Amino acid sequence: GQQLNQSPQSMFIQEGEDVSMNCTSSSIFNTWLWYKQDPGEGPVLLIALYKAGELTSNGRLTAQFGITRKDSFLNISASIPSDVGIYFCAGHTQGGSEKLVFGKGTKLTVNP
Amino acid sequence: GAVVSQHPSRVICKSGTSVKIECRSLDFQATTMFWYRQFPKQSLMLMATSNEGSKATYEQGVEKDKFLINHASLTLSTLTVTSAHPEDSSFYICSARDVQGYGDTQYFGPGTRLTVL
Repeated sequence: GQQLNQSPQSMFIQEGEDVSMNCTSSSIFNTWLWYKQDPGEGPVLLIALYKAGELTSNGRLTAQFGITRKDSFLNISASIPSDVGIYFCAGHTQGGSEKLVFGKGTKLTVNP
Repeated sequence: GAVVSQHPSRVICKSGTSVKIECRSLDFQATTMFWYRQFPKQSLMLMATSNEGSKATYEQGVEKDKFLINHASLTLSTLTVTSAHPEDSSFYICSARDVQGYGDTQYFGPGTRLTVL
């Protein structure tokens, strides 16, 4: 099946630091979605990207839809303890179905 | 963003019983909903796609007679785990597809923790 390579798998940072994570694929994507999941909860949509090159911000979060349509990154600036969680990238492949393809997640730990 | 609710949030049942989980889109209509299962420390695994007014489409390896899905309205899909066994214990999450906005997006429910004794 389709694969999304998400990295890093985990990150340990100090409060106040900036964070960057990314997803890549060998397939072309029409949509990139970034979600955050807290323990015992469902994923919450952070940012949705629909056009190649699109750069979108949501507060301290910024995400971009890669120009090749095969990658996307998510940046978090000035991290705070509540940023702790697992971040997933997901997307719809070109010519694919309505089903989402998911990355394996990036577990973020923020030390106060 | 759009809101999706799930009920119950957690359920404990005896082996052999059936459990029904509801998924509702609260502020938008969803012709398509999805049911996922998530194991600890893993990503979401799609179980089935639920389409309003038609039969669900199950992923390979998912027993349709075990996991009954009904999508009777544009805002409600239900997953029934029939004759549950301990190996069915898991975190079940639904999502609803929203294509009314700028693009194709899925919004997730808060999940249901199922424990089968």
